[in-house]
Amino acid sequence: KQEVTQIPAALSVPEGENLVLNCSFTDSAIYNLQWFRQDPGKGLTSLLLIQSSQREQTSGRLNASLDKSSGRSTLYIAASQPGDSATYLCAVRPGTYKYIFGTGTRLKVLA
Amino acid sequence: DAGVTQSPTHLIKTRGQQVTLRCSPKSGHDTVSWYQQALGQGPQFIFQYYEEEERQRGNFPDRFSGHQFPNYSSELNVNALLLGDSALYLCASSPGWGTGDTQYFGPGTRLTVL
Repeated sequence: KQEVTQIPAALSVPEGENLVLNCSFTDSAIYNLQWFRQDPGKGLTSLLLIQSSQREQTSGRLNASLDKSSGRSTLYIAASQPGDSATYLCAVRPGTYKYIFGTGTRLKVLA
Repeated sequence: DAGVTQSPTHLIKTRGQQVTLRCSPKSGHDTVSWYQQALGQGPQFIFQYYEEEERQRGNFPDRFSGHQFPNYSSELNVNALLLGDSALYLCASSPGWGTGDTQYFGPGTRLTVL
């Protein structure tokens, strides 16, 4: 059974810091992995999608890597800003139907 | 281009009642998935609809049912509500069901069961 774990559960950093969020999954048989952002009480915003054949994806200050064989992904946020404060969710797609989500990392960037 | 829309935004019901949530997919999308997100948890897959048929179902009881209409919009129905059904219900749409297709999520419906 595929399980997704995110560490740390919560993180508080001063503005300007570079930070890394971690995601691990138990079954390497995935089609892709996606990182989402969720603001309090809101829906999900897709940040980066990495196909199983890819190693990393970049968008602006965000970089996500995927090591399928070890069951790990990291989301790197450069020069963090207070507007980055949100919950970040990692999700893997084991088949054509659904995503399996982790419980998220709650990030707070202090001004 | 409107994204995924959901209605209502918030809903309060009492135990034992029935509720219907609605979702309109992003333009050009024909596949709709529903997720339940309890407070402090990640979303959990309920089911997915394509061509008006339920294609796969997660580990949810039969009290949870759905429907997809010819215009691809979808409804989620929950019968005999329990306190534990209180959650954010998210709808996601995609342009097909290929593994390369990302799912676009709506803002969700917050259901509170008293």
